[in-house]
Amino acid sequence: DAGVIQSPRHEVTEMGQEVTLRCKPISGHNSLFWYRQTMMRGLELLIYFNNNVPIDDSGMPEDRFSAKMPNASFSTLKIQPSEPRDSAVYFCASSETGTPEQFFGPGTRLTVL
Amino acid sequence: SQQGEEDPQALSIQEGENATMNCSYKTSINNLQWYRQNSGRGLVHLILIRSNEREKHSGRLRVTLDTSKKSSSLLITASRAADTASYFCATDESGGYQKVTFGIGTKLQVIP
Repeated sequence: DAGVIQSPRHEVTEMGQEVTLRCKPISGHNSLFWYRQTMMRGLELLIYFNNNVPIDDSGMPEDRFSAKMPNASFSTLKIQPSEPRDSAVYFCASSETGTPEQFFGPGTRLTVL
Repeated sequence: SQQGEEDPQALSIQEGENATMNCSYKTSINNLQWYRQNSGRGLVHLILIRSNEREKHSGRLRVTLDTSKKSSSLLITASRAADTASYFCATDESGGYQKVTFGIGTKLQVIP
């Protein structure tokens, strides 16, 4: 298995632009997580899906952030409009339902100028 | 707020020495996990200990859990330069779903 796949690996954009981050979980994993990692705040859970349904989006910072999971093999995290304070590394992770071990993707390093 | 807090935040040791990292948490948990993150990479799961377990081993790793003190420790024996990374504890709360909360991490440097 290729593991969790994220794209792009690096994204540099200007303030106000729309940013879309993509994630392909490990096949057979029913749970998907989006995290944001910064030096100041550490690793924060943004949203959690189970069987493609959002279960907990309490970590989504504001309405500029949205996430979708149209099918079991694909999820997106969108920021519109982006702001410099959104600069961070965004991780996607997946796991099998009922097991706590999570498998992380390589992350997307986002820089908003 | 962060559930787990690691201590120390940074640790530098010589290759061959043992490294001990501690994690404290606030609420009752089902499980506690330790993850490693190499610079510029995603987190990798190392070991899981359940709330009814007190100690667990995996290779050079030894994890202890004290639920009365709400704390855990990760011991890496005979450290190697390749162990240089950040280490995070992660807890999932009793009665909760699969959501885990990560601590702020301990940055370990092993000097060859």
